Amino acid sequence: AQRVTQPEKLLSVFKGAPVELKCNYSYSGSPELFWYVQYSRQRLQLLLRHISRESIKGFTADLNKGETSFHLKKPFAQEEDSAMYYCALSENRDDKIIFGKGTRLHILP
Amino acid sequence: EAGVTQFPSHSVIEKGQTVTLRCDPISGHDNLYWYRRVMGKEIKFLLHFVKESKQDESGMPNNRFLAERTGGTYSTLKVQPAELEDSGVYFCASSQDREIYGYTFGSGTRLTVV
Repeated sequence: AQRVTQPEKLLSVFKGAPVELKCNYSYSGSPELFWYVQYSRQRLQLLLRHISRESIKGFTADLNKGETSFHLKKPFAQEEDSAMYYCALSENRDDKIIFGKGTRLHILP
Repeated sequence: EAGVTQFPSHSVIEKGQTVTLRCDPISGHDNLYWYRRVMGKEIKFLLHFVKESKQDESGMPNNRFLAERTGGTYSTLKVQPAELEDSGVYFCASSQDREIYGYTFGSGTRLTVV
């Protein structure tokens, strides 16, 4: 069965330090991978997707098929990055999305 | 453009009662999805509508849950009778073409069954 694993429930990082949120997945085919973010008192929103290869708010994520990983990275953390981050995958366009349990990122001043 | 609207934002009901959650997708979005997050667990898919048809309802936990999307516009999710384990946050999302535009989520309904 498809599964998304985010090993860290909470990650605390000092402002200006690099950030890496880990995500591993299990899926036999070629899924589409996403990162979603939920800031305090805001709705869940798409941060980035692997097919677009964009950098959003300084975040990047590279799909590593050999390690089945899709870690989210940012070189210099900012206080406004504090939020809940969810890694997710789906098999096909318009299909359901399978979410990980999420990692709460706390940026320390 | 109005976003995805969910009503109510919070609901507290007693075990055995009935609750109906509503989702208004972005106008023109054919795809409508329901998800829920139970405390301490991941956000899980419930079902997917394409217009008024149920495309995938594999995530519906049991027959106490009934989702409808009459006319292909807004959707309702009814829980009858509610049980304690139904407590959680219920999210709705809509998309026109997820490959290009992606999902837009609503702010969720927090359901507490006591």
